[in-house]
Amino acid sequence: GAVVSQHPSWVICKSGTSVKIECRSLDFQATTMFWYRQFPKQSLMLMATSNEGSKATYEQGVEKDKFLINHASLTLSTLTVTSAHPEDSSFYICSVSYASGDSPLHFGNGTRLTVT
Amino acid sequence: DAKTTQPNSMESNEEEPVHLPCNHSTISGTDYIHWYRQLPSQGPEYVIHGLTSNVNNRMASLAIAEDRKSSTLILHRATLRDAAVYYCILRGLSPGTYKYIFGTGTRLKGLA
Repeated sequence: GAVVSQHPSWVICKSGTSVKIECRSLDFQATTMFWYRQFPKQSLMLMATSNEGSKATYEQGVEKDKFLINHASLTLSTLTVTSAHPEDSSFYICSVSYASGDSPLHFGNGTRLTVT
Repeated sequence: DAKTTQPNSMESNEEEPVHLPCNHSTISGTDYIHWYRQLPSQGPEYVIHGLTSNVNNRMASLAIAEDRKSSTLILHRATLRDAAVYYCILRGLSPGTYKYIFGTGTRLKGLA
């Protein structure tokens, strides 16, 4: 069964509004979650690493005030795209894992965001 | 700053084996080699991972070179369901190295 639940699977919003995407770890307590963005025909780009109980670590070039990440519990992390614009339209994917190189990464099914 | 390089695409025929190569010449001694695949409009799916020894599971086999600077994912009998983009990723043990950086991946085509 699914290890990671990501919701919603797709969302359409108007420019200037904010959108929240949820990522839930179903089978285990995830101390670390990762958020990715993927444009059509491109690879996944890591946006940030979300650590439970502390501030997220953002990759270079990713605006932390625009992409708000909250990891308030060991099973839930949220990504909020604030004041969305058409260029934010993308496929957003979360993933969870134990913080160990020997543990596989489990991905959500992604959220297709379209900003009109 | 992906640490792996893969061919952009490979062709395959159904019911035949597929060997997907990956180069990771800068791998460190504690980096694990992970493989994932992504079907259209879905999140990536775990395939297999290893450190030094070859690994087998129900999905695939992973052959790791003796110097660990390259590896090969082996699909023993490719089917239509295996048409996907395959990513080879290194993951370390220490903080700052256990985040997954995806390269361009290899698109497996030709299955029909």
